Amino acid sequence: EVQLLESGGALVQPGGSLRLSCAASGFIFSRYALTWVRQAPGKGLDWVSGISGSGGATFYADSVRGRFTVSRDNSKNTLYLQMDSLRVEDTAVYYCAKYTYGDDVRTGFDIWGQGTTVTVSS
Amino acid sequence: EIVLTQSPATLSLSPGERATLSCRASQSVRSFLAWYQQKSGQAPRLLIYAASKRATAIPARFSGSGSGTDFTLTISSLEPEDLAVYYCQQSESWPLTFGGGTKVQIK
Repeated sequence: EVQLLESGGALVQPGGSLRLSCAASGFIFSRYALTWVRQAPGKGLDWVSGISGSGGATFYADSVRGRFTVSRDNSKNTLYLQMDSLRVEDTAVYYCAKYTYGDDVRTGFDIWGQGTTVTVSS
Repeated sequence: EIVLTQSPATLSLSPGERATLSCRASQSVRSFLAWYQQKSGQAPRLLIYAASKRATAIPARFSGSGSGTDFTLTISSLEPEDLAVYYCQQSESWPLTFGGGTKVQIK
């Protein structure tokens, strides 16, 4: 079964850092691009970042560029999101998701994790 | 950044009725548009990609159409389990963006 499992969410103070992980199973990890999408409480979906299957190409929303870093370890089948300089407005459930076909972003995200909660508050 | 505007914000229909959800882009996204369903407390689920291609295991009552700036998700005969929020998402250009969502309520 194809699965994604996020972890690492926590309560953190403004200005703090956190690293999220997304462990994958059931598919050839290195062949698929992955993405992070977040959802603030009671709000809609907000795309955060994406990374190609090789890890050679990364993409960011303007709201997180320079503060968040996406990476992956294909030997461990794991995706990461390093979040620095966190702000109150970064409070959200963070989902990782897999591209439907390889590195082709045009095919949407067919598998999603259950999400991990990040709360930024003093 | 491409802005996606979804309408209506809320749709209330009876089982068996046809639901028509709209997504309008601020500039052309060609056919690079996907639709997702999100039920309360769950992760989103891919319904449609490339504007009109149904994702794996998606029932035939869900269909997508459109290109350029105007897109439609149609649920041909509403089922009680279709209660959810539906989002469109464009992948024509970075950053990727989502619409604000349409909430489908069952009368």
